[in-house]
Parts: sequence; structure tokens; C-alpha cells
Amino acid sequence: DQQVKQNSPSLSVQEGRISILNCDYTNSMFDYFLWYKKYPAEGPTFLISISSIKDKNEDGRFTVFLNKSAKHLSLHIVPSQPGDSAVYFCAAPHSQGGSEKLVFGKGTKLTVNP
Amino acid sequence: EAQVTQNPRYLITVTGKKLTVTCSQNMNHEYMSWYRQDPGLGLRQIYYSMNVEVTDKGDVPEGYKVSRKEKRNFPLILESPSPNQTSLYFCASSFRWANEQFFGPGTRLTVL
Repeated sequence: DQQVKQNSPSLSVQEGRISILNCDYTNSMFDYFLWYKKYPAEGPTFLISISSIKDKNEDGRFTVFLNKSAKHLSLHIVPSQPGDSAVYFCAAPHSQGGSEKLVFGKGTKLTVNP
Repeated sequence: EAQVTQNPRYLITVTGKKLTVTCSQNMNHEYMSWYRQDPGLGLRQIYYSMNVEVTDKGDVPEGYKVSRKEKRNFPLILESPSPNQTSLYFCASSFRWANEQFFGPGTRLTVL
């Protein structure tokens, strides 16, 4: 049962335009979300997070929006740059039955074309 | 420099030959975890450790062992590797389990 879903395996945008990466979740107990960015041959790196007490968090060109009623979050990158080309993972901490872990989506590969 | 290191970065081995992938962090983090990344499946957790001597199974623990004798090290052991364990492995650490995790550079393992 996939609790964090990224339904778009890939996304291609032009440099300077907005990139919107989407993530849906099924567990209403999730109250904190993280986005990671991964370049080929490197480990994922933390990008931005959002707590469920907020509906928006902004860091430079990156903004994450959270819609709790829809169980949906999105990462906006404005303006997109070729260096943003990477795989983006959405994740949520999950605690159940003594198990504590970070649940990841399958990722969306973003390509920003010059 | 704060980092998570993994060794080796690349390994080709044969079925049944025991191997260990080391992981070390210098940030005094309590939580450490191992993931494998496979095409179309994203990152799946293998094992995690909340602190020294405390380890637990993740989503895909079969065929793997771990130990956490010291806070900084969290080795991943494959007692009898099989071809379905061919994958890209990442070690990660964080101060607490729900905090942002810092990932190592990855170990690409091929089991023939």
C-alpha cells in the first residue's frame, strides 16, 4: 500500500518557466512532509519541508503548498533552471506500531530544457 | 565537513559471497537507515536504527542484516547475496527519526 504517491514519473519544462511537481498521500495522520532532490550518482539531498500547521512554505525559488483536505502537496520551482534537472522525491515521516520511518514516493524526474 | 560516507561505492560480486557495506556519519545523529533504490520503485527502507543497539526492520529487510554497536557506524551485511539484491543502496542519518535525513553518496551493488 503506497501511502505517498507521485503519479508523474517525469516532467519536462523550459528554462525560466514554472515547474510544478505533485504528491498525494493517503494517511491523514501525516503531519510533516519533505522534498528531496537527487542528481545521478549522488545521494538525495533535502530541499524543503512543510508542517501541516502551514499551507505554504517558501525558500527562494522553491515553494511547497499543502492542501490537507485533498491530501495533496506540490512543489513549485520558479523560475526553473537547467541545474534543477533531477529526480524529486516527496516523503513523510510515519510512525506505527513502534516502527518509525520516512515513507517516500517513487519520484518525479524533472528535466529543464535550456 | 558534516557527511555520511559509504564504502565501497561500487561492488560486483557473485551469488553467496558474504559482503558488508559500511556507513559512517560524523554528525552525532541518533537515527540511521538503509534504503535501496530500484527503477520504478523509488526508495525503499531496508533497516533502520533509532540509536545504539536499537535496530528494526523496514519495508524490505529480507536477505539483509545490520548492527549498530557505535553511534557513528551502521553497516549493512548481506550474508548470502542473490541477484535480486542488485541495486543502488543509500545510507542516511538524522538527529531524530522525523527530521531531515542526510544521505550518503550511494553504493551500486551488482550480484552475478
